[in-house]
Amino acid sequence: NAGVTQTPKFQVLKTGQSMTLQCAQDMNHEYMSWYRQDPGMGLRLIHYSVGAGITDQGEVPNGYNVSRSTTEDFPLRLLSAAPSQTSVYFCASRLTGVTYNEQFFGPGTRLTVL
Amino acid sequence: GQQVMQIPQYQHVQEGEDFTTYCNSSTTLSNIQWYKQRPGGHPVFLIQLVKSGEVKKQKRLTFQFGEAKKNSSLHITATQTTDVGTYFCAGLTGGSYIPTFGRGTSLIVHP
Repeated sequence: NAGVTQTPKFQVLKTGQSMTLQCAQDMNHEYMSWYRQDPGMGLRLIHYSVGAGITDQGEVPNGYNVSRSTTEDFPLRLLSAAPSQTSVYFCASRLTGVTYNEQFFGPGTRLTVL
Repeated sequence: GQQVMQIPQYQHVQEGEDFTTYCNSSTTLSNIQWYKQRPGGHPVFLIQLVKSGEVKKQKRLTFQFGEAKKNSSLHITATQTTDVGTYFCAGLTGGSYIPTFGRGTSLIVHP
């Protein structure tokens, strides 16, 4: 199993550009989520999904869109990039059983917005 | 909403010294998880605690869950340079799928 994969690893954008961060998992996990990590701020939840066709907002959703058309894929779209969106983005997935809910994180995408 | 506070933010130790990080939740948790993130890496799951007063050990790491299920700690005995990284706690309530992460404690080990 590849686990959770993310592309690209690095990206530089200009203010106002749009892009999609890709995330895929091959573990048949129902739950997937996107976090951003900024120095001293820990991991902040952007959006999450509990299954194909179902998405919801997290703590910091503004400026980001998501969709979940398949169990495997959960792309994150930046509609009009802003310097405040410079961050490291992590995708994570897990099973939704209550008793065992370890999250598996992808390697991250390091995004700089100029 | 639920908040999970984690202290300290940074900790410098000499190799061989002990290290402890603490998490406190504003609400009672159903369980708490701990993750480690190496510099430049991604968070990796270490352990989950579920029961009140639970203590679990992984080699030199000891994890505790408070009796009231509102606080937790991670203690590392005799730190090594391989312990360098940021340690996060993440609390879950009820049947929620969504953990609330603490801001993490960055451990710096000086050889």
